[in-house]
Amino acid sequence: TQLLEQSPQFLSIQEGENLTVYCNSSSVFSSLQWYRQEPGEGPVLLVTVVTGGEVKKLKRLTFQFGDARKDSSLHITAAQPGDTGLYLCAGAMGRGADGLTFGKGTHLIIQP
Amino acid sequence: DTAVSQTPKYLVTQMGNDKSIKCEQNLGHDTMYWYKQDSKKFLKIMFSYNNKELIINETVPNRFSPKSPDKAHLNLHINSLELGDSAVYFCASSQVAAPTDTQYFGPGTRLTVL
Repeated sequence: TQLLEQSPQFLSIQEGENLTVYCNSSSVFSSLQWYRQEPGEGPVLLVTVVTGGEVKKLKRLTFQFGDARKDSSLHITAAQPGDTGLYLCAGAMGRGADGLTFGKGTHLIIQP
Repeated sequence: DTAVSQTPKYLVTQMGNDKSIKCEQNLGHDTMYWYKQDSKKFLKIMFSYNNKELIINETVPNRFSPKSPDKAHLNLHINSLELGDSAVYFCASSQVAAPTDTQYFGPGTRLTVL
């Protein structure tokens, strides 16, 4: 059973369009983190959300944590080819030393 | 000034062999982790260490043995390699063992078992 359901798994859109990636769970998380992974490299943190209902913005990226801390979304406005990559949501439960529970990732392609 | 480094980057070996992957972090962090990423890019926690002590072992076969000689290093030794061990292995570290802490990932080691 996948603890964190991430969708869509694949998304290919035109430059300038908007998109949303979802991360859902039936479990409550202490924090929800979004990472981006380039080919041949390790994941790099984009943002951490901690408080239920929290919204964080990173330029054209908007991250939201659900009120119940069970789900999160990543919204990209006016996508650009440079946004192409693998986006991963990851939840932390209880002790941070338990490691992160990752979603299966969203492969995003932005076509010029 | 690499934060989390792993060696080797690529490892190709025969079934049944024993191999090690090394990880070092120069961030002064207390907690280190090993993750396995399968061919579908799914990342799963394997181990975590806090101040050189094992915290979790997520149902990993005992052919995998992590070793932390000091806080800055967490090496992964794998005995009797199997085809299913082929994957990319990522080392990560965080400052403390807090759920809100950022985890910094190494570049990964792509292991191919033939």
